Amino acid sequence: TQLLEQSPQFLSIQEGENLTVYCNSSSVFSSLQWYRQEPGEGPVLLVTVVTGGEVKKLKRLTFQFGDARKDSSLHITAAQPGDTGLYLCAGGETSGSRLTFGEGTQLTVNP
Amino acid sequence: GAVVSQHPSWVICKSGTSVKIECRSLDFQATTMFWYRQFPKQSLMLMATSNEGSKATYEQGVEKDKFLINHASLTLSTLTVTSAHPEDSSFYICSALGQGGYGYTFGSGTRLTVV
Repeated sequence: TQLLEQSPQFLSIQEGENLTVYCNSSSVFSSLQWYRQEPGEGPVLLVTVVTGGEVKKLKRLTFQFGDARKDSSLHITAAQPGDTGLYLCAGGETSGSRLTFGEGTQLTVNP
Repeated sequence: GAVVSQHPSWVICKSGTSVKIECRSLDFQATTMFWYRQFPKQSLMLMATSNEGSKATYEQGVEKDKFLINHASLTLSTLTVTSAHPEDSSFYICSALGQGGYGYTFGSGTRLTVV
């Protein structure tokens, strides 16, 4: 069974600060996805990375997939209170297979 | 974009009764749907994988006779929690896989409370 270790599990920062969330595994994934979830709602896809070393940017969010496709990171620049939520990484072993989720990072950005 | 509708969004039921949760892909066909369970401030835990026209594949530790899954069409999968108990109270989320391999779309979840 593939496992994804996500860290930190909880993060509370002030508005304007930068932060990085990590997602690590000993297994190789064909794709890795990042989601953001708000209370009482389903996860919303932020990005999918499929190529080792790939970097994708979404406004203030930067996503990176490790060269060996075993790890990924999410960096948020100048965090805002609207960024508050549960961030989840999820890896797919093959195209169309079940996703393995990390434990999640509960981010709170204080104004 | 792809939309998955999950219904109901919340339900309260008495112990011993059954509850059905529906998951529909509105604008695409989903040959595979996934059902997850999530406890407060925790990640999603996969319960089962549902393929249209065949029996669902359950994860280890998930009782298939208690959590009945039916995927009768390419746009609809249902999860029925039978003989519900308070410990079944949780947030249940479905996900549908569209064509192309990477397009997982999640429903908005169902908050089940068993009293």
